[in-house]
Amino acid sequence: KQEVTQIPAALSVPEGENLVLNCSFTDSAIYNLQWFRQDPGKGLTSLLLIQSSQREQTSGRLNASLDKSSGRSTLYIAASQPGDSATYLCAVRDNNNDMRFGAGTRLTVKP
Amino acid sequence: SAVISQKPSRDICQRGTSLTIQCQVDSQVTMMFWYRQQPGQSLTLIATANQGSEATYESGFVIDKFPISRPNLTFSTLTVSNMSPEDSSIYLCSGDRSLAQFFGPGTRLTVL
Repeated sequence: KQEVTQIPAALSVPEGENLVLNCSFTDSAIYNLQWFRQDPGKGLTSLLLIQSSQREQTSGRLNASLDKSSGRSTLYIAASQPGDSATYLCAVRDNNNDMRFGAGTRLTVKP
Repeated sequence: SAVISQKPSRDICQRGTSLTIQCQVDSQVTMMFWYRQQPGQSLTLIATANQGSEATYESGFVIDKFPISRPNLTFSTLTVSNMSPEDSSIYLCSGDRSLAQFFGPGTRLTVL
């Protein structure tokens, strides 16, 4: 059974700093991996989707990488802003179309 | 991407009552799902809503407690039946399109 772990559980940084969020998974036979953002009490917003054949995806200040063989993905946020404060979740989809979510990293960017 | 809306956005209910949550997608999605997110925790899949047939439930969830309908490709409902305080949670509807998953804004349920 796929297990998804996100470290750290919480992170606080000053505005302007670059940061990396980590996601690891136990079964490397994945179909794709998706990063989401969740604001308090709200639903999930899809940020980036990486197919199993891809190494990275970029959108604006966000860059997600995927290393399937080591079971890891990172979400890099450049020049962080207070508006980036949210919980970031990674989710792994396997070849049976099952999705597993990590517990999330709660990010606080201080002005 | 897909735009997904949910009604109600939040509700406060009495123990023993039932609440039906509606989910509407702006256009067809391949699959629709219902998740629960308890306070401070990640998402747990309740079931896959199948169009025109019974939903497929995950371990620990049953149809009598969480009846689901999906009459067409863009609409689904989840009912939380005979509620107890343990059912207090955010309930999220999700749809699949182009192998990416998109979520509604969630329904925050509080059971007194």
